[in-house]
This record gives sequence, C-alpha cells and structure tokens, in this order.
Amino acid sequence: EPEVTQTPSHQVTQMGQEVILRCVPISNHLYFYWYRQILGQKVEFLVSFYNNEISEKSEIFDDQFSVERPDGSNFTLKIRSTKLEDSAMYFCASIPGLAGGPRAYNEQFFGPGTRLTVL
Amino acid sequence: KQEVTQIPAALSVPEGENLVLNCSFTDSAIYNLQWFRQDPGKGLTSLLLIQSSQREQTSGRLNASLDKSSGRSTLYIAASQPGDSATYLCAVLGGAGSYQLTFGKGTKLSVIP
Repeated sequence: EPEVTQTPSHQVTQMGQEVILRCVPISNHLYFYWYRQILGQKVEFLVSFYNNEISEKSEIFDDQFSVERPDGSNFTLKIRSTKLEDSAMYFCASIPGLAGGPRAYNEQFFGPGTRLTVL
Repeated sequence: KQEVTQIPAALSVPEGENLVLNCSFTDSAIYNLQWFRQDPGKGLTSLLLIQSSQREQTSGRLNASLDKSSGRSTLYIAASQPGDSATYLCAVLGGAGSYQLTFGKGTKLSVIP
C-alpha cells in the first residue's frame, strides 16, 4: 500500500544551524502539508503546498521556514536558523487533491515523522 | 479560530469493555473530521474520515459519529483490546475558510489485560 515516507527519522542539530527535512508523498497526490508536534502538545499545521506554491500557512511558518518541491517526488521543509523551540516531531502529509475529488473531501495521509532535536 | 477539545485526556479500561471518546470543535463550518491513532513516538495512523454531510462511519470495531451543528464527534470502540492502547486524536478540516487540519490534544487510552 502506498505510503508517505520521511527522512531522516531523527535529526540532531545545533542552534543556529540550517536543517532540511525530507518527505516523499504518495506518488499521485497533489497537495502536500507539513505539521509539527512539540512534545506533549497538539499537532499544529505549518503549511500547505499545491502546484509549486504555498496555498496556506500558519503563524508559526515565519521567514525562517521554507518549503520546496525540488523534483517530482520530494517535498522538503527547510529551517534556516534553528532555535531551541523548533525541537519537535515534524510530520509530512499528502492528499490526492483534484484527482481524488475536491480537497475538502480527502483523507490526509501522514508520514512517520522526523524528530528534530535542537541543542 | 478553530479550537478542538478532547475529553477525557486519559482513560483506562479493562479489556473487553466498550468505550467512547469525545471530541468537540468551536466552528461548525468544517469540511470533514478525521480520527487518528498515535502510538508513543510514532506517526499518525488515520482511522476514520467523516465528511461534513455524514452522520457516522464504521470500520471494524470502530464507529465514529458526527453532529456538525453542535460541534461534536464521538469515537466508539467496541470490545477493547490491549492492542488498542494508544493516543487517539481528533482533527477537523476547515472552519473560517481554512483547509488545514486542526487537532485536539488527544485521549490517551490504556486497555488493561
């Protein structure tokens, strides 16, 4: 069964360093998402991406964050200068989008997450 | 801004018992509602998706209901098993014209053998 994959599973970095988290969405999906979950807290929406553009972003997704689909399969989240408070589990998700009907009706499929630890 | 609340925060039941998890949301203009399961340190596994026009969905021992007008959903688990032990998350899509999922904090379920 197709699934969303994410690499690495765990990333440790020093404060101020840049990190890139990678996701491979399900192959025929069109909408892509990043969420994060700080330990013990709710899962929070960061950004959605469609047709090589950000379609929606939250207040958390400031200038330190960027997303990119560099090729036909990968979807990346970059944090330019990490802070201690960026330590969290980051989840990628995708939906079929138009191919599977209006996006409002689609089930979101999540990857296993990348645990980011900022020291 | 959409807010999702889940009650109770934690629940411990003996094996075989039927149980109900509750979810409420503040903005009833949602497109759909998803229930997820999360094991410790792991990702999110989608259990059920209910469209805003539906009243309930069933999958095996799981049944989810949705009362959109009152902003409530319940997840019913029949004949609970130790393997059901996990955190169950409720998430709604929409509210205020948004297509983002807004999550509750979850209910941590422990099924005692």
